[in-house]
Amino acid sequence: QLQLQESGPGLVKPSETLSLTCTVSGGSISSSSYYWGWIRQPPGKGLEWIGSIYYSGSTYYNPSLKSRVTISVDTSKNQFSLKLSSVTAADTAVYYCARHFRAAAALNWFDPWGQGTLVTVSS
Amino acid sequence: AIQLTQSPSSLSASVGDRVTITCRASQGISSALAWYQQKPGKAPKLLIYDASSLESGVPSRFSGSGSGTDFTLTISSLQPEDFATYYCQQFNSYPTFGQGTRLEIK
Repeated sequence: QLQLQESGPGLVKPSETLSLTCTVSGGSISSSSYYWGWIRQPPGKGLEWIGSIYYSGSTYYNPSLKSRVTISVDTSKNQFSLKLSSVTAADTAVYYCARHFRAAAALNWFDPWGQGTLVTVSS
Repeated sequence: AIQLTQSPSSLSASVGDRVTITCRASQGISSALAWYQQKPGKAPKLLIYDASSLESGVPSRFSGSGSGTDFTLTISSLQPEDFATYYCQQFNSYPTFGQGTRLEIK
């Protein structure tokens, strides 16, 4: 059974870089059928896709965040990571990683999701 | 970006009720839509993909329909464990989500 687990600091200072890692267990991150994605949810609000990465390193980013986001993959550790630069209080959210289904060269739905990790941006 | 508008934003219903949630896309997305259930403090769970395909392990009381711009999620007979927030997500272009529909106990 595939499982994903987010890890990283729960508190980041304004203007600094948020860094999170997602560890995949119970399956290989190098599958040709999937991308691996990051989604966030501000407290009490809805869901926002941040970006997704293929095991080869190919990435797609949300245009609204693209200038600040870098997603990378480490297939040897079965992990992928998120970096979000120049954070503000508006970046405070629960950050989820998820398997992102790929079909017909397009990105589809997310399943399963990690449990999520709350990142607070505050001095 | 393709915008998704869910209605209603919140809904009160009783166990055994039939409930329908609507998701409208700002432009046509064919059948590129998924539905998720989220309970407080938990990650979203996939229910429906490709607008009407039931994810494995999801009870058959959940169903999805629609194509183009208008979609529905129906729960045929509400169970206590179904009270949660539901989100639609389109994947015709880069992924976006609806604002959510909170389903509460009447």
